[in-house]
Amino acid sequence: SYELTQPPSVSVSPGQTARITCSGDALPTKYAYWYQQKSGQAPVLVIYEDKKRPSGIPERFSGSSSGTMATLTISGARVEDEADYYCYSTDSTSNPRGVFGGGTKVTVL
Amino acid sequence: QVHLQESGPRLVKPSETLSLTCSVSGDAISGSFWTWIRQPPGKGLEWIGYIHDSDRSEQNLSLKSRVTMSVDTTKNQFSLMVRSVTTADTAVYYCARGSGRLANLKFDFWGQGLLVTVSS
Repeated sequence: SYELTQPPSVSVSPGQTARITCSGDALPTKYAYWYQQKSGQAPVLVIYEDKKRPSGIPERFSGSSSGTMATLTISGARVEDEADYYCYSTDSTSNPRGVFGGGTKVTVL
Repeated sequence: QVHLQESGPRLVKPSETLSLTCSVSGDAISGSFWTWIRQPPGKGLEWIGYIHDSDRSEQNLSLKSRVTMSVDTTKNQFSLMVRSVTTADTAVYYCARGSGRLANLKFDFWGQGLLVTVSS
């Protein structure tokens, strides 16, 4: 079955830049989506279609994708950005099935 | 504003069927890809599947033989059944709206999640 691979954890100091990667064989032809999940809460969409930001999401969140890797960047990380981040995409079958990456815990300290 | 709310039993016995309903307000059930996602305690998110207008659905291959989804347009609800549950099915179950084209769905609205425990 198709898999997306993320690093388990990323640490960043306040004001610095955090980068979270997501690798998958279908990413050259499939969009990546990023979800932020704070403790005890439902996930929130922060990036869709590789690099688009939903309304209400701060500009410090950005996305990019190249080849088999998608990246979520948090520029000028804040303490409130501490959360789990999940990438999501679909496989390349004609009836696409969704898949989440394993998640990355971002610590801001 | 779109609002989703999961409901159903919070405790299910092993080998029985887990049944959940997601009630949708602020949007018509037709037209979007209504999706179920779950998260075992302390673990990551798992895509279960979607249903669209009662005539199209797809499920995670690891669950497909045990999962049924349905839509009730009269009540603006959609439902999930997972048969023959085991303790591995213990999780927070989320319903979400998948908007956009099927190949490019974004989950823009989520329910708050419902913890379902499988235990005798």
